[in-house]
Amino acid sequence: GDSVTQTEGLVTLTKGLPVMLNCTYQTTYSPFLFWYVQHLNEAPKLLLKSSTDNKRTEHQGFYATLHKSSSSFHLQKSSVQLSDSALYFCALGTGGYKVVFGSGTRLLVSP
Amino acid sequence: NSKVIQTPRYLVKGQGQKAKMRCIPEKGHPVVFWYQQNKNNEFKFLINFQNQEVLQQIDMTEKRFSAECPSNSPCSLEIQSSEAGDSALYLCASSLSHRQNTLYFGAGTRLSVL
Repeated sequence: GDSVTQTEGLVTLTKGLPVMLNCTYQTTYSPFLFWYVQHLNEAPKLLLKSSTDNKRTEHQGFYATLHKSSSSFHLQKSSVQLSDSALYFCALGTGGYKVVFGSGTRLLVSP
Repeated sequence: NSKVIQTPRYLVKGQGQKAKMRCIPEKGHPVVFWYQQNKNNEFKFLINFQNQEVLQQIDMTEKRFSAECPSNSPCSLEIQSSEAGDSALYLCASSLSHRQNTLYFGAGTRLSVL
């Protein structure tokens, strides 16, 4: 079935460093990929989305490129800020009715 | 601020009690999803609707969980007989479609089953 894998449960970084959060997926359908961010005690909200192969999409300093050849949609930022501390979820919209979420990665940014 | 409104924010029930939570989707969004987010922050899909019709639901939902999205009324998710393992954050999200469009989440209802 359709699935999303996020390999890091927790990433800790110092402010100003680059970050990459991994996301790979499995589906037999044409994929739509999303990154959602959830700050403490807040609703998850969309950060990025893409369905176009090999095209970089950017928002609020974060960027990701969907690579269908490797079934990946890794999230990157060149310089993390304290306010980036949050939970990040990769999600897959598929040919079925569900949107499947990965297990999430907690990003902790220290001063 | 989220335009998807979930009530109540917190719900405390004893084992075996009914637990009911509501969701008002964003205006104009015909698709509504319910997810359970557990203490490990993992999302479990429960059910989704397009207008008033169920699109898909998991087996767990079919047994103790019931949900509806009547026209001109809030959507609701009800657990008939709460169990300790049901303690979680229940997230409602609405969307223009079920596949390629953004999900807009409410802040959730945090259920504690004592």
